[in-house]
Amino acid sequence: RKEVEQDPGPFNVPEGATVAFNCTYSNSASQSFFWYRQDCRKEPKLLMSVYSSGNEDGRFTAQLNRASQYISLLIRDSKLSDSATYLCVVSAGKSTFGDGTTLTVKP
Amino acid sequence: NAGVTQTPKFRVLKTGQSMTLLCAQDMNHEYMYWYRQDPGMGLRLIHYSVGEGTTAKGEVPDGYNVSRLKKQNFLLGLESAAPSQTSVYFCASSYPKIGSPLHFGNGTRLTVT
Repeated sequence: RKEVEQDPGPFNVPEGATVAFNCTYSNSASQSFFWYRQDCRKEPKLLMSVYSSGNEDGRFTAQLNRASQYISLLIRDSKLSDSATYLCVVSAGKSTFGDGTTLTVKP
Repeated sequence: NAGVTQTPKFRVLKTGQSMTLLCAQDMNHEYMYWYRQDPGMGLRLIHYSVGEGTTAKGEVPDGYNVSRLKKQNFLLGLESAAPSQTSVYFCASSYPKIGSPLHFGNGTRLTVT
């Protein structure tokens, strides 16, 4: 079993849709959690950190459930520019990446 | 503000050739990392460093060596390139504090024929 698992997708949604990505991790000692965005094999860029209380940044909401070892990312009102691969990252000292979930937003 | 800079951006090697990838960061980060990413896969950690003069193996270290002689630089070496090392290589850096995110360079696309 991989340390960090994501649904690879792809997710194909129309503009304006709400889409949710899930991520599970196996290391209970993990302390830091992030969502990164990666476009066309370019470098990953930080989308948002994930906090225990949940956090929101505009159309993006991240949730963390430590008991279930589960992280989620919700994107509301999807835009064409949201099309990318979303990487779940979990850190217990060293960062471990999920394989990513691909999102395509269509007109 | 350059952030993390990788050189070269592209390289084609023949099997058995050697090369060094250079990563430089100007954010005074303690930690530096080298990852590789293959099609359809996530990033896999090759080697990392928690400070000047220290390095450690990651998930896939075989066939690679690293050095961190200066805090701002982290070098990745391939002594004898193999086709299996064809990949995109990303360097990253971060502060040692829990919750500090990784900052990535633009990547190096390496093809070994």
